[in-house]
Amino acid sequence: EPEVTQTPSHQVTQMGQEVILRCVPISNHLYFYWYRQILGQKVEFLVSFYNNEISEKSEIFDDQFSVERPDGSNFTLKIRSTKLEDSAMYFCASSVNRGPTDTQYFGPGTRLTVL
Amino acid sequence: AQSVTQLGSHVSVSEGALVLLRCNYSSSVPPYLFWYVQYPNQGLQLLLKYTTGATLVKGINGFEAEFKKSETSFHLTKPSAHMSDAAEYFCAVTRGGGNKLTFGTGTQLKVEL
Repeated sequence: EPEVTQTPSHQVTQMGQEVILRCVPISNHLYFYWYRQILGQKVEFLVSFYNNEISEKSEIFDDQFSVERPDGSNFTLKIRSTKLEDSAMYFCASSVNRGPTDTQYFGPGTRLTVL
Repeated sequence: AQSVTQLGSHVSVSEGALVLLRCNYSSSVPPYLFWYVQYPNQGLQLLLKYTTGATLVKGINGFEAEFKKSETSFHLTKPSAHMSDAAEYFCAVTRGGGNKLTFGTGTQLKVEL
């Protein structure tokens, strides 16, 4: 069964450094998402992406964040200058369509630790 | 704004007992509701979803949930718990016109012998 994959599984970085989290969505999916979960808190929406453009973003997704689909398979989340509060589990998801009832398929997550 | 509330951050049941995980939603328009499960070191997996139509929704692994508009609830149940059901369960909602998932805080289910 096709699945969303994410690399790395765990990333440790120093505050102020740039990080890139990588995701490979399911191959026939067209809509891509990033969510994050700070330890002990809710899973929160960050951004959705379609046709090489951001469809929607949350208040969390400020100028420090960017997303890109650099080729036909990868979908990346970049944090330009990491802060301690960026430490979280980051989940990538994808879906075939973007309707409110369409199933989003999640990857296993990347645990980002900012020191 | 759409939101969901999950009562009980931790639920413990005996193997073979009924599983009941509670979710209430807050919405001014008919919501679309989802239950996701997260096993250790894995991503979120869809258990079931309510869109329209039948209010009793059956999902994978023997789980089901009933949409009750009068109670603004979408509780998840399973008649007989199995050790393999131990995981974290998330209720989520989307709003009409968009597909941003808004999650509850999650309920950790523990199944004991």
